[in-house]
Amino acid sequence: GAVVSQHPSWVICKSGTSVKIECRSLDFQATTMFWYRQFPKQSLMLMATSNEGSKATYEQGVEKDKFLINHASLTLSTLTVTSAHPEDSSFYICSAPVESPYNEQFFGPGTRLTVL
Amino acid sequence: GENVEQHPSTLSVQEGDSAVIKCTYSDSASNYFPWYKQELGKRPQLIIDIRSNVGEKKDQRIAVTLNKTAKHFSLHITETQPEDSAVYFCAASRWGNKLVFGAGTILRVKS
Repeated sequence: GAVVSQHPSWVICKSGTSVKIECRSLDFQATTMFWYRQFPKQSLMLMATSNEGSKATYEQGVEKDKFLINHASLTLSTLTVTSAHPEDSSFYICSAPVESPYNEQFFGPGTRLTVL
Repeated sequence: GENVEQHPSTLSVQEGDSAVIKCTYSDSASNYFPWYKQELGKRPQLIIDIRSNVGEKKDQRIAVTLNKTAKHFSLHITETQPEDSAVYFCAASRWGNKLVFGAGTILRVKS
């Protein structure tokens, strides 16, 4: 199957700082990538759809100025959590669909963010 | 938008028994229904999926059924083993579009 990587796998930061998370499709091109957030013992909640070469589409209730998404190439999308606070501590997972033939989505390994 | 409901939230079965998890969806345009297994701290792993043009799909001990009219789909695991213990999520989407996940089911297989 297709491979999606994420970096870093975990990060601890101080409140008020910004953190960048990278999502890469290693062996296929992805014009679209999805960013999810998962709090402990909860489901995956879609935050935004990252579109190569254009603006991301954010889900209702997700602050676009706080969660900056850049999809600068067909293999890389980045999520920057700006001015992070403890309530942003979560498991962030990206996914990318393989466009042929069935659009199956492949998930990255996730990034555990802890904001102190 | 799409809404996916999943039941039960927890399920305990004896090793060797069957487990069934059910999901309903709201968007009649959804046409792709994957099931994921997630272990603690890991990414979701696709275990089986079904498209709207079929009613049932089976892969060894795992099967999924889809009722488009009723807008519900179910995961069936037979001959459960301790290593099947995990959190299972259903999801629904239109092909290539965003996945909407159910709330998850914690499956415990007791040996």
